[in-house]
Amino acid sequence: AQSVAQPEDQVNVAEGNPLTVKCTYSVSGNPYLFWYVQYPNRGLQFLLKYITGDNLVKGSYGFEAEFNKSQTSFHLKKPSALVSDSALYFCAVRDEGNTDKLIFGTGTRLQVFP
Amino acid sequence: GAVVSQHPSWVICKSGTSVKIECRSLDFQATTMFWYRQFPKQSLMLMATSNEGSKATYEQGVEKDKFLINHASLTLSTLTVTSAHPEDSSFYICSARELGQGAANYGYTFGSGTRLTVV
Repeated sequence: AQSVAQPEDQVNVAEGNPLTVKCTYSVSGNPYLFWYVQYPNRGLQFLLKYITGDNLVKGSYGFEAEFNKSQTSFHLKKPSALVSDSALYFCAVRDEGNTDKLIFGTGTRLQVFP
Repeated sequence: GAVVSQHPSWVICKSGTSVKIECRSLDFQATTMFWYRQFPKQSLMLMATSNEGSKATYEQGVEKDKFLINHASLTLSTLTVTSAHPEDSSFYICSARELGQGAANYGYTFGSGTRLTVV
């Protein structure tokens, strides 16, 4: 069965430094991968996705992610973190069955310190 | 871009009463909507998938008689928590599957969530 793993519960980074939020996946076919961000008491906001095409995907708010098939990873990155990037980040993969649902990772809390 | 409007944002109700949460796709047709529940500091748990005009598909362990889902039109899905109890207190989020041709248009849009507190 497909799954998504976010190995870090929390990532701390200083403002201005690059940040990486890790995600690995397990699917049998070609993955549809997504990153979302959630601010307190809010729904999820779409950041970026990989379905096909270039392995380096650029998304909203300066975020990007690289699809690495050999390492089955889809890490989220940003060259220079902002305090306002502090939030909860979710990686997700589309279910390969006929349900079309998303399977979420456990989430990673990003804390950017001034 | 696609927008899903979810209401109410928060609701407080007494034990034993029912609460209805609405999700509307504002500028697109959502044949499929997903309902999630999120506990504090945890990930999203899929409760059910609703398809317009048909019965919802519930995930294992989710009580269909307690969490009634209706998807009567291509732009509206509702979740009714019946006979609510304090343990139903949670953050509920809906998501709509966007239709489109090709990978570029494939995606999901989430509502802003509803904080339910049962007292």
